[in-house]
Amino acid sequence: QKEVEQDPGPLSVPEGAIVSLNCTYSNSAFQYFMWYRQYSRKGPELLMYTYSSGNKEDGRFTAQVDKSSKYISLFIRDSQPSDSATYLCAMSGGAGTALIFGKGTTLSVSS
Amino acid sequence: ETGVTQSPTHLIKTRGQQVTLRCSSQSGHNTVSWYQQALGQGPQFIFQYYREEENGRGNFPPRFSGLQFPNYSSELNVNALELDDSALYLCASSFPGQGGTEAFFGQGTRLTVV
Repeated sequence: QKEVEQDPGPLSVPEGAIVSLNCTYSNSAFQYFMWYRQYSRKGPELLMYTYSSGNKEDGRFTAQVDKSSKYISLFIRDSQPSDSATYLCAMSGGAGTALIFGKGTTLSVSS
Repeated sequence: ETGVTQSPTHLIKTRGQQVTLRCSSQSGHNTVSWYQQALGQGPQFIFQYYREEENGRGNFPPRFSGLQFPNYSSELNVNALELDDSALYLCASSFPGQGGTEAFFGQGTRLTVV
């Protein structure tokens, strides 16, 4: 079992849809949870950063962490064609520890 | 755009050769990490440098080595290149003493080994 599991998709939605992206993990030592967006042939861009359990909202994006279930989610409201990218979840045990990434989910939003 | 810059952006090397990739970290960041991203995969941690010392390493062989300089810029060196080393190499910098959290990535160097 991989430490971080993420459905690679692809996921195709119409413009304006609500998108739900998810990751599960097995290592209970993870404390920091991140979502990155990666456009084709570019480096990952940090979207959301959450410490421990709970929700965090930033504009159209909401990140949720449920440590009891070892499950994290990213919701995108009112999706736009510019949201078409690969979304990577990442997590770490804290300072001085590496980021462990999921495989990424490819999202396509059609206008 | 992050303040993390990598050079070169693309590189083609022959199997058995050596390569050096470079990274300038974001201002104020003293922790630099390197990741390898194969096509269709998430980034895999290679190693991390904090204040010029290696302080974490992933499951990569010793032919992957690195340096961090007093200005916190960094190099990744790969010796005896293999075809499977073809990938996007990513550098990430993070806040002082907070390695592994809120890491900001450069645009990557795409290495092709033929």
